[in-house]
Amino acid sequence: AQTVTQSQPEMSVQEAETVTLSCTYDTSESDYYLFWYKQPPSRQMILVIRQEAYKQQNATENRFSVNFQKAAKSFSLKISDSQLGDAAMYFCAYRGLVGSARQLTFGSGTQLTVLP
Amino acid sequence: GAVVSQHPSRVICKSGTSVKIECRSLDFQATTMFWYRQFPKQSLMLMATSNEGSKATYEQGVEKDKFLINHASLTLSTLTVTSAHPEDSSFYICSAAGTGTHPYGYTFGSGTRLTVV
Repeated sequence: AQTVTQSQPEMSVQEAETVTLSCTYDTSESDYYLFWYKQPPSRQMILVIRQEAYKQQNATENRFSVNFQKAAKSFSLKISDSQLGDAAMYFCAYRGLVGSARQLTFGSGTQLTVLP
Repeated sequence: GAVVSQHPSRVICKSGTSVKIECRSLDFQATTMFWYRQFPKQSLMLMATSNEGSKATYEQGVEKDKFLINHASLTLSTLTVTSAHPEDSSFYICSAAGTGTHPYGYTFGSGTRLTVV
């Protein structure tokens, strides 16, 4: 079974600074998807960024970028120029391609605080 | 974009009663619905997966007779918590996949906060 580990329960960053959230995962599959979701106090799950495992290039979405290290099974999220609105719980998630592996497996989450 | 409407957003019920939570896909056909449960400051735990027209598949440890899932149409899935007890109090979230959704991720409902008193 796939597992996703987020070793940082809480992180804080100064507004306008950069922060990196860590995520590691375990799988025997060669192709899969990885995601970072944001859950603000409203508790609505918001997709921040996704990465296809077959792509070597790291995904980027505006101020959000990932460092995907397939061999190390590592998938960190970098938030640049942090804003107050970035404060939320961030979940790393894994998704396989076939059958029951298509379900999302979430990490335990990292609570990000942005300090003014 | 794909939207999943989840209702109610909050519900308080008495112990022993049943509560139904609805998730509707507004602009796409949800062929698969995932139901999650989330306790405060914790991650999302998958309860069950349902495909339209089929019986739901429950995760280990989830009581299928307590958490009834119906996915009779491509636009509606329901979760009924039967004979609710205070320990069932939690945040329940649905997530849908299907035609019209993002090809890699899934669309989430806004969640239902259930309080059993």
